[in-house]
Amino acid sequence: AQRVTQPEKLLSVFKGAPVELKCNYSYSGSPELFWYVQYSRQRLQLLLRHISRESIKGFTADLNKGETSFHLKKPFAQEEDSAMYYCALRGPGPSYDKVIFGPGTSLSVIP
Amino acid sequence: EAGVTQFPSHSVIEKGQTVTLRCDPISGHDNLYWYRRVMGKEIKFLLHFVKESKQDESGMPNNRFLAERTGGTYSTLKVQPAELEDSGVYFCASSQGGRELFFGSGTQLSVL
Repeated sequence: AQRVTQPEKLLSVFKGAPVELKCNYSYSGSPELFWYVQYSRQRLQLLLRHISRESIKGFTADLNKGETSFHLKKPFAQEEDSAMYYCALRGPGPSYDKVIFGPGTSLSVIP
Repeated sequence: EAGVTQFPSHSVIEKGQTVTLRCDPISGHDNLYWYRRVMGKEIKFLLHFVKESKQDESGMPNNRFLAERTGGTYSTLKVQPAELEDSGVYFCASSQGGRELFFGSGTQLSVL
C-alpha cells in the first residue's frame, strides 16, 4: 500500500542553520513526490515537486529511489520558513491522480 | 482567477445533527478532492472526483459521509448523523491535468 512517513513531528533550528525535513515513502511503482507547505493563516500550497528539480525559496529535494526518500533541505534557514511541511505522493494506478500526504513536520526557526 | 472556496469556514453542531460542507473548485478543474485533518494529525484522503464521477472514495470513513459533485462543478460533503470523531478540518482541493493541487481554506467542523 502507498504510504508517506515523516519521522519528525516537530523540528526547531536556529536562523542561519541548515535544515532537513525527512520524508520516506512506500509505493510499488514510480510515484511523483511533492512538498506542500502551510504558513500561519494561509492555505496549504505546493512548495516543490521532484520532476521539476528546481529550488524554491532556497529549498531543494532529491528523490532517492534506492532509499525511497524525498528529504527537503535548505542550507540556511530563515524565520519566514517557519511553517507546517507535508510530503505527498501521487502515483499511477486505478486512481492516478490520487494524492496522499504524510503526517507533516512543524518547522520552527528560532531567531 | 478565483481560488478554491469552501463554505462554511466554521461549523459547530451537536452530535446526531447533519452538516453539509460545500466546495467550489477553480473553474475548469476536472479533479476535485476532499481531505480531512483530525486533531492536527496527518491530512487524510477522503475521495476524488473526476468531473462528476467518483474516481476513488476509498478514504470515506463510513456511510454517514456522502459526497456529490453536481454537473462536475461544485461539490458537497454531507455528514449525517455527525459523531464526535468527525470533528476536524475538512479541506477541498482541485487540479487540472494531474498538476499541483490548489487548496481551499478548509472548514473547521466541531461536533459537540
